Amino acid sequence: RKEVEQDPGPFNVPEGATVAFNCTYSNSASQSFFWYRQDCRKEPKLLMSVYSSGNEDGRFTAQLNRASQYISLLIRDSKLSDSATYLCVVNLGGGFKTIFGAGTRLFVKA
Amino acid sequence: DAGITQSPRHKVTETGTPVTLRCHQTENHRYMYWYRQDPGHGLRLIHYSYGVKDTDKGEVSDGYSVSRSKTEDFLLTLESATSSQTSVYFCAISGGTQDTEAFFGQGTRLTVV
Repeated sequence: RKEVEQDPGPFNVPEGATVAFNCTYSNSASQSFFWYRQDCRKEPKLLMSVYSSGNEDGRFTAQLNRASQYISLLIRDSKLSDSATYLCVVNLGGGFKTIFGAGTRLFVKA
Repeated sequence: DAGITQSPRHKVTETGTPVTLRCHQTENHRYMYWYRQDPGHGLRLIHYSYGVKDTDKGEVSDGYSVSRSKTEDFLLTLESATSSQTSVYFCAISGGTQDTEAFFGQGTRLTVV
């Protein structure tokens, strides 16, 4: 079983749609969680951190469920520019190992 | 932007030749990683390092070796390049004293002909 698992997609949605991605992780000692975005032919970059209380950044909402060991990302009112691959990333805390999911592809169409 | 650079950014090489890719960081982060990314597979971990001279294998390590003789440098070597190793290679770092965020290099596009 992979340490971080994501649905690879692709998710094809129309502009204005709401789309949700889930990610599960296997190590219950994981302490820090992130969503990264990767555009075509570019390196992944941090989109947002994920906190137990849930956090929101504009149209993006991230949630963490420690009991079930999953993380979610909700994108509301999708834009064409949201088309990218979204990576779930888990860190074991402090200076410990960071584990990356393989990513979920999103295509937003006009 | 985090101080992480990869070199070369593009390379074309012949089958059977050895190739070394370099990742250099100026952040003094403990962990360094090498990934390859191919269509339909996402990021796949090749090797990672948790300190100078401390490395471990990832899920696709066959045909690759790594070395880390200094905190700032992590080298990936394709011992005898094959066409199946044509890919985009990303280096990443994590493990700063306070910040657990990971940073990626810009990638190296390698073509083996």
